[in-house]
Amino acid sequence: DQQVKQNSPSLSVQEGRISILNCDYTNSMFDYFLWYKKYPAEGPTFLISISSIKDKNEDGRFTVFLNKSAKHLSLHIVPSQPGDSAVYFCAAVSSGAGSYQLTFGKGTKLSVIP
Amino acid sequence: DAGVIQSPRHEVTEMGQEVTLRCKPISGHNSLFWYRQTMMRGLELLIYFNNNVPIDDSGMPEDRFSAKMPNASFSTLKIQPSEPRDSAVYFCASSVDRRLYGYTFGSGTRLTVV
Repeated sequence: DQQVKQNSPSLSVQEGRISILNCDYTNSMFDYFLWYKKYPAEGPTFLISISSIKDKNEDGRFTVFLNKSAKHLSLHIVPSQPGDSAVYFCAAVSSGAGSYQLTFGKGTKLSVIP
Repeated sequence: DAGVIQSPRHEVTEMGQEVTLRCKPISGHNSLFWYRQTMMRGLELLIYFNNNVPIDDSGMPEDRFSAKMPNASFSTLKIQPSEPRDSAVYFCASSVDRRLYGYTFGSGTRLTVV
């Protein structure tokens, strides 16, 4: 039973255009969400996060949107660059007492075409 | 800061052999996590420690897997005996505050059991 779902295994986008990566979750206890980026032969690296008290968080070319009622979040990359080609993982955490673990989606492989 | 250090980077072993994966977390981080990445299941949490104490090992697949954290700067994940289905990339991650900053991952150990 996957609590965090990334339904698109892959996505191809032209350089300069917008990349939109989607993520759905089922656990209403999740109240903090993160995106990680992973290059081949490296560990995932933290990219951007959002608390459930917000609906948008922006950091340079990266913006994360959260729709709590739909239990959906998305990562927008504008403009997309070839160096953005990587696997992107969505992750969620519940801030309940004693909770330490992130629950990850399976990832979406983004290819930015020059 | 050298980041989270994992060793070895690659391990090839024969079925039935014992395998030990090692991790050195970032100094000052008090939470340590072991994840396994496979194509089918994505990133799944195996076990996490807080202040060197195992908090939740419900993700450990079976008794063949064990993990220890004898001190704040070292952890091991052992598989004995290993099986071909254990082939995966194993990541160690550490964190000081899992909500605000997420985790810092190591580069992973690619395990192949033949």
